Amino acid sequence: ETGVTQSPTHLIKTRGQQVTLRCSSQSGHNTVSWYQQALGQGPQFIFQYYREEENGRGNFPPRFSGLQFPNYSSELNVNALELDDSALYLCASSLRGFNTEAFFGQGTRLTVV
Amino acid sequence: TQLLEQSPQFLSIQEGENLTVYCNSSSVFSSLQWYRQEPGEGPVLLVTVVTGGEVKKLKRLTFQFGDARKDSSLHITAAQPGDTGLYLCAGDPRTSGTYKYIFGTGTRLKVLA
Repeated sequence: ETGVTQSPTHLIKTRGQQVTLRCSSQSGHNTVSWYQQALGQGPQFIFQYYREEENGRGNFPPRFSGLQFPNYSSELNVNALELDDSALYLCASSLRGFNTEAFFGQGTRLTVV
Repeated sequence: TQLLEQSPQFLSIQEGENLTVYCNSSSVFSSLQWYRQEPGEGPVLLVTVVTGGEVKKLKRLTFQFGDARKDSSLHITAAQPGDTGLYLCAGDPRTSGTYKYIFGTGTRLKVLA
C-alpha cells in the first residue's frame, strides 16, 4: 500500500456532466500529478500541482482542471464530459524534484455513457 | 513529442521461462523507471535507472539503461505466475521544471503455471 488514496474508486457519468475526483497524497509529499490511463494504454500526464499551483500540463483541454489544498491533497475536475474521457484516472504523489519516486493511488475508474 | 515504445505489447509464457521486455525512444531521458501494474491497481515502482549503461537487479529481474539513455530493457529469469501484470516504463525528459514522466504503452505479461 502506497499511502495514496483516491476516491471514488468507480464512477459512471453521463456525457456533458461534470465530475470531481479526489486524491490524498502520501504524508510528507508536496507534489501531486494526475494521469489518464485509457484501456490498454500507458498513463498520460494531465498536470501536476506543487504548493497549490499548477506546475506543468500535458496535452489536455482546459475542461480538465485541478486544485491542490494546503494539506497537499488534490482534486481533478472534468467539465462537459465526453465519451473518450472514460478511463482510469491515477494520482501520484511525490516530493518535488527530478528522479524522485512517485507513489500511485489505486485510481478512479470513470465511465462516461 | 517524446515517445516511449515498448515491445512486445503482449507476452504469454510458461512458468520457468526467461523473457525480455524492451523500452525504446528516439529521445534522451535523464532517468527511466519501470513499474508493474495489476488490474484495478495503480502502477508500483520497481526500479529507477539514472546512469547510461547502468544495470540493476531486483531478485529475478534485471534492468538495464542504454548507454545513450534512450532505451532500457527488463529481463525476467525463471518467470513465475506472480510476475503476471502490465509492465510500464516511464522516462523523465527533464523539461523546464516540470517533474513529469512519459509512460510507455506497456507490455502485458501472462505467466502460465
